[in-house]
Amino acid sequence: SQTIHQWPATLVQPVGSPLSLECTVEGTSNPNLYWYRQAAGRGLQLLFYSVGIGQISSEVPQNLSASRPQDRQFILSSKKLLLSDSGFYLCAWNGGDTQPQHFGDGTRLSIL
Amino acid sequence: QKEVEQNSGPLSVPEGAIASLNCTYSDRGSQSFFWYRQYSGKSPELIMSIYSNGDKEDGRFTAQLNKASQYVSLLIRDSQPSDSATYLCAVVLSSNTGKLIFGQGTTLQVKP
Repeated sequence: SQTIHQWPATLVQPVGSPLSLECTVEGTSNPNLYWYRQAAGRGLQLLFYSVGIGQISSEVPQNLSASRPQDRQFILSSKKLLLSDSGFYLCAWNGGDTQPQHFGDGTRLSIL
Repeated sequence: QKEVEQNSGPLSVPEGAIASLNCTYSDRGSQSFFWYRQYSGKSPELIMSIYSNGDKEDGRFTAQLNKASQYVSLLIRDSQPSDSATYLCAVVLSSNTGKLIFGQGTTLQVKP
């Protein structure tokens, strides 16, 4: 069966520091991969999605970037974190455009 | 008009009652619809997928889809306190292949 791993579970970072969140999927090949952010009490905001290695689509201009160095690995990065980057970051995958997405456990990021 | 709309609630029902959660969407060409459950502090969990008009039942859950009215609902029978969570409606847009749009979610409270 397919599983999705996301780490770390929680992260506290100072303003201006870099960020790297990693997500990996097991048990499937060539998944679509997604990064979402959920601010406290808010809905899910799609940040990036990828349909293949090296293919990244950005949904909103922001302080973040994403990369897909391997088929089942998706990385979210920032060079300098802002206070507004705080939130719950979720990685998700699906096997095709009309299929449901399945989420990792998420990373709760707090910026001090 | 928002692409996917839900009443934020909270919707409060007594234990054992039927909870009815509603969602409307704007893209008439949408073909894939999902319901997710999100417990506080946790990631969304897929509970139902529906693609055709009518009802789809899975245990205590029934999803209902009416494409003509652009309406999808989730019924939870014999509601339990453990069903207390936020329920997210998600729709795949026909105009952006694979893009899943989430509603803001409805908070359900099941009171013992």
